[in-house]
Amino acid sequence: DSGVTQTPKHLITATGQRVTLRCSPRSGDLSVYWYQQSLDQGLQFLIQYYNGEERAKGNILERFSAQQFPDLHSELNLSSLELGDSALYFCASSVTGKTEAFFGQGTRLTVV
Amino acid sequence: GQQLNQSPQSMFIQEGEDVSMNCTSSSIFNTWLWYKQDPGEGPVLLIALYKAGELTSNGRLTAQFGITRKDSFLNISASIPSDVGIYFCAGQPRDTDKLIFGTGTRLQVFP
Repeated sequence: DSGVTQTPKHLITATGQRVTLRCSPRSGDLSVYWYQQSLDQGLQFLIQYYNGEERAKGNILERFSAQQFPDLHSELNLSSLELGDSALYFCASSVTGKTEAFFGQGTRLTVV
Repeated sequence: GQQLNQSPQSMFIQEGEDVSMNCTSSSIFNTWLWYKQDPGEGPVLLIALYKAGELTSNGRLTAQFGITRKDSFLNISASIPSDVGIYFCAGQPRDTDKLIFGTGTRLQVFP
Protein backbone atom coordinates (compact mmCIF):
# COMPACT_ATOMS: atom_id res chain seq x y z
CA ASP A 1 0.00 0.00 0.00
CA SER A 2 1.57 3.27 -1.20
CA GLY A 3 -0.56 5.44 1.06
CA VAL A 4 -2.10 7.26 -1.91
CA THR A 5 -5.86 6.72 -2.14
CA GLN A 6 -7.88 7.14 -5.31
CA THR A 7 -11.66 6.96 -5.61
CA PRO A 8 -13.63 5.58 -7.26
CA LYS A 9 -11.75 2.49 -8.41
CA HIS A 10 -14.03 2.02 -11.43
CA LEU A 11 -16.32 4.41 -13.24
CA ILE A 12 -18.58 3.78 -16.22
CA THR A 13 -20.29 6.73 -17.82
CA ALA A 14 -21.80 7.87 -21.09
CA THR A 15 -20.33 10.16 -23.71
CA GLY A 16 -20.94 13.82 -23.02
CA GLN A 17 -21.04 13.37 -19.27
CA ARG A 18 -18.79 14.85 -16.60
CA VAL A 19 -16.96 12.96 -13.86
CA THR A 20 -14.75 13.81 -10.90
CA LEU A 21 -11.86 11.65 -9.78
CA ARG A 22 -10.49 12.06 -6.29
CA CYS A 23 -7.00 11.59 -4.87
CA SER A 24 -5.79 11.70 -1.28
CA PRO A 25 -1.99 11.97 -1.10
CA ARG A 26 0.26 10.25 1.41
CA SER A 27 0.36 11.94 4.79
CA GLY A 28 2.91 14.76 4.64
CA ASP A 29 3.10 14.93 0.85
CA LEU A 30 2.47 18.39 -0.57
CA SER A 31 2.64 17.60 -4.28
CA VAL A 32 0.13 15.70 -6.40
CA TYR A 33 0.53 14.52 -10.00
CA TRP A 34 -2.15 13.25 -12.38
CA TYR A 35 -1.50 10.82 -15.24
CA GLN A 36 -3.55 9.18 -17.96
CA GLN A 37 -2.74 5.67 -19.17
CA SER A 38 -4.63 4.33 -22.17
CA LEU A 39 -4.71 0.60 -22.91
CA ASP A 40 -1.18 -0.80 -23.21
CA GLN A 41 0.27 2.69 -23.37
CA GLY A 42 2.67 4.67 -21.24
CA LEU A 43 1.83 7.19 -18.57
CA GLN A 44 0.98 10.61 -19.96
CA PHE A 45 1.60 13.46 -17.56
CA LEU A 46 -1.45 15.70 -17.19
CA ILE A 47 -0.83 18.18 -14.39
CA GLN A 48 0.97 18.71 -11.08
CA TYR A 49 0.02 20.68 -7.98
CA TYR A 50 2.14 21.72 -5.04
CA ASN A 51 0.51 22.93 -1.83
CA GLY A 52 -2.62 24.02 -3.62
CA GLU A 53 -1.02 25.72 -6.61
CA GLU A 54 -0.54 24.45 -10.13
CA ARG A 55 3.16 23.74 -10.63
CA ALA A 56 3.47 22.02 -14.01
CA LYS A 57 1.19 21.21 -16.91
CA GLY A 58 1.36 18.49 -19.54
CA ASN A 59 -0.85 17.89 -22.55
CA ILE A 60 -4.04 18.16 -20.54
CA LEU A 61 -7.15 18.71 -22.65
CA GLU A 62 -9.19 21.86 -22.13
CA ARG A 63 -12.13 19.61 -21.20
CA PHE A 64 -10.10 18.42 -18.21
CA SER A 65 -9.33 20.45 -15.12
CA ALA A 66 -7.92 19.80 -11.69
CA GLN A 67 -7.41 21.44 -8.34
CA GLN A 68 -5.74 20.77 -5.03
CA PHE A 69 -7.64 21.73 -1.91
CA PRO A 70 -6.35 23.17 1.40
CA ASP A 71 -6.39 19.70 2.95
CA LEU A 72 -4.11 18.67 0.01
CA HIS A 73 -6.50 16.22 -1.60
CA SER A 74 -6.90 16.72 -5.32
CA GLU A 75 -9.69 16.27 -7.84
CA LEU A 76 -9.49 15.75 -11.59
CA ASN A 77 -12.60 16.84 -13.48
CA LEU A 78 -13.27 15.40 -16.91
CA SER A 79 -16.12 16.89 -18.91
CA SER A 80 -17.82 16.36 -22.29
CA LEU A 81 -16.44 12.84 -22.16
CA GLU A 82 -15.57 11.03 -25.38
CA LEU A 83 -14.97 7.34 -26.03
CA GLY A 84 -11.25 8.04 -26.33
CA ASP A 85 -11.12 9.29 -22.75
CA SER A 86 -11.51 5.71 -21.54
CA ALA A 87 -8.30 4.98 -19.65
CA LEU A 88 -6.70 4.43 -16.29
CA TYR A 89 -6.17 7.69 -14.43
CA PHE A 90 -3.44 7.68 -11.82
CA CYS A 91 -2.59 10.07 -9.08
CA ALA A 92 0.84 10.20 -7.45
CA SER A 93 2.16 12.22 -4.55
CA SER A 94 5.56 13.32 -3.33
CA VAL A 95 6.84 15.38 -0.44
CA THR A 96 8.17 18.36 -2.36
CA GLY A 97 7.53 17.68 -6.04
CA LYS A 98 11.27 17.07 -6.47
CA THR A 99 11.52 13.71 -4.76
CA GLU A 100 10.24 10.21 -5.42
CA ALA A 101 6.55 9.96 -6.26
CA PHE A 102 4.22 7.23 -5.02
CA PHE A 103 1.22 6.12 -7.03
CA GLY A 104 -2.32 5.23 -6.13
CA GLN A 105 -4.16 2.22 -7.55
CA GLY A 106 -5.83 4.29 -10.22
CA THR A 107 -9.37 4.92 -11.41
CA ARG A 108 -10.46 2.94 -14.45
CA LEU A 109 -12.77 5.15 -16.50
CA THR A 110 -14.91 3.57 -19.18
CA VAL A 111 -16.89 5.87 -21.46
CA VAL A 112 -19.69 4.14 -23.39
CA GLY B 1 3.29 14.31 -24.89
CA GLN B 2 6.97 14.33 -24.02
CA GLN B 3 8.39 10.90 -23.20
CA LEU B 4 11.74 9.39 -22.52
CA ASN B 5 13.22 6.83 -24.92
CA GLN B 6 13.32 3.50 -23.16
CA SER B 7 14.77 0.29 -24.54
CA PRO B 8 14.28 -2.47 -25.20
CA GLN B 9 10.53 -2.36 -25.74
CA SER B 10 10.16 -5.96 -24.59
CA MET B 11 12.29 -8.81 -23.34
CA PHE B 12 11.68 -12.53 -23.17
CA ILE B 13 14.18 -14.25 -20.92
CA GLN B 14 14.70 -17.46 -19.03
CA GLU B 15 14.50 -17.61 -15.26
CA GLY B 16 17.93 -16.99 -13.74
CA GLU B 17 19.15 -14.69 -16.50
CA ASP B 18 20.22 -11.10 -15.91
CA VAL B 19 18.31 -8.23 -17.51
CA SER B 20 19.38 -4.74 -18.50
CA MET B 21 17.23 -1.86 -19.74
CA ASN B 22 17.96 1.82 -20.23
CA CYS B 23 16.40 5.19 -20.68
CA THR B 24 17.71 8.23 -22.54
CA SER B 25 16.70 11.84 -22.83
CA SER B 26 17.72 14.73 -25.03
CA SER B 27 17.83 17.06 -22.01
CA ILE B 28 19.44 17.05 -18.59
CA PHE B 29 17.48 15.47 -15.76
CA ASN B 30 17.78 16.13 -12.03
CA THR B 31 16.04 12.94 -10.91
CA TRP B 32 15.66 9.43 -12.31
CA LEU B 33 13.14 6.97 -10.93
CA TRP B 34 12.43 3.36 -11.86
CA TYR B 35 8.98 1.80 -11.45
CA LYS B 36 7.39 -1.60 -12.03
CA GLN B 37 3.75 -1.89 -13.06
CA ASP B 38 1.58 -5.01 -12.98
CA PRO B 39 -1.54 -5.12 -15.20
CA GLY B 40 -4.31 -2.88 -13.91
CA GLU B 41 -2.24 -1.71 -10.95
CA GLY B 42 -0.43 1.49 -10.10
CA PRO B 43 3.32 1.77 -10.73
CA VAL B 44 5.44 0.76 -7.74
CA LEU B 45 8.66 2.66 -7.07
CA LEU B 46 11.77 0.48 -7.24
CA ILE B 47 14.74 2.86 -7.10
CA ALA B 48 15.25 6.64 -6.92
CA LEU B 49 18.43 8.39 -8.14
CA TYR B 50 19.34 12.02 -7.48
CA LYS B 51 23.02 12.51 -8.38
CA ALA B 52 24.97 12.05 -11.60
CA GLY B 53 26.98 8.83 -11.41
CA GLU B 54 24.94 7.51 -8.48
CA LEU B 55 24.66 3.72 -8.38
CA THR B 56 21.92 2.32 -6.14
CA SER B 57 20.80 -1.21 -5.39
CA ASN B 58 17.55 -2.64 -4.09
CA GLY B 59 17.93 -6.40 -3.66
CA ARG B 60 18.55 -7.90 -7.10
CA LEU B 61 17.94 -4.54 -8.76
CA THR B 62 20.68 -2.01 -9.52
CA ALA B 63 20.20 1.35 -11.22
CA GLN B 64 22.57 4.13 -12.21
CA PHE B 65 22.17 7.84 -12.93
CA GLY B 66 24.26 8.53 -16.03
CA ILE B 67 27.24 10.88 -15.82
CA THR B 68 25.82 13.10 -18.57
CA ARG B 69 22.52 13.30 -16.61
CA LYS B 70 20.73 12.32 -19.80
CA ASP B 71 20.41 8.60 -19.19
CA SER B 72 19.85 5.86 -16.65
CA PHE B 73 19.91 2.08 -16.65
CA LEU B 74 18.29 -0.65 -14.57
CA ASN B 75 19.74 -4.13 -14.13
CA ILE B 76 17.91 -7.10 -12.68
CA SER B 77 20.08 -10.05 -11.69
CA ALA B 78 19.02 -13.69 -11.52
CA SER B 79 15.47 -13.04 -12.75
CA ILE B 80 12.53 -14.90 -11.23
CA PRO B 81 8.94 -15.37 -12.46
CA SER B 82 7.58 -12.57 -10.25
CA ASP B 83 9.81 -10.08 -12.09
CA VAL B 84 7.28 -10.23 -14.94
CA GLY B 85 5.70 -6.85 -15.60
CA ILE B 86 6.31 -3.51 -17.27
CA TYR B 87 9.26 -1.45 -16.10
CA PHE B 88 9.15 2.31 -16.52
CA CYS B 89 11.83 4.89 -16.08
CA ALA B 90 10.74 8.36 -15.06
CA GLY B 91 12.70 11.57 -14.89
CA GLN B 92 12.39 15.13 -13.82
CA PRO B 93 13.99 17.63 -16.23
CA ARG B 94 16.25 20.28 -14.74
CA ASP B 95 13.96 23.21 -15.48
CA THR B 96 10.55 21.82 -14.53
CA ASP B 97 8.70 19.86 -11.87
CA LYS B 98 7.14 17.58 -14.47
CA LEU B 99 7.75 13.87 -13.88
CA ILE B 100 8.00 12.34 -17.34
CA PHE B 101 7.74 8.62 -18.03
CA GLY B 102 9.53 6.39 -20.47
CA THR B 103 7.73 4.17 -22.94
CA GLY B 104 8.22 1.07 -20.80
CA THR B 105 9.98 -2.28 -21.09
CA ARG B 106 7.73 -5.34 -20.96
CA LEU B 107 9.55 -8.23 -19.28
CA GLN B 108 8.52 -11.86 -19.63
CA VAL B 109 10.33 -14.54 -17.64
CA PHE B 110 10.03 -18.19 -18.63
CA PRO B 111 10.79 -21.03 -16.23
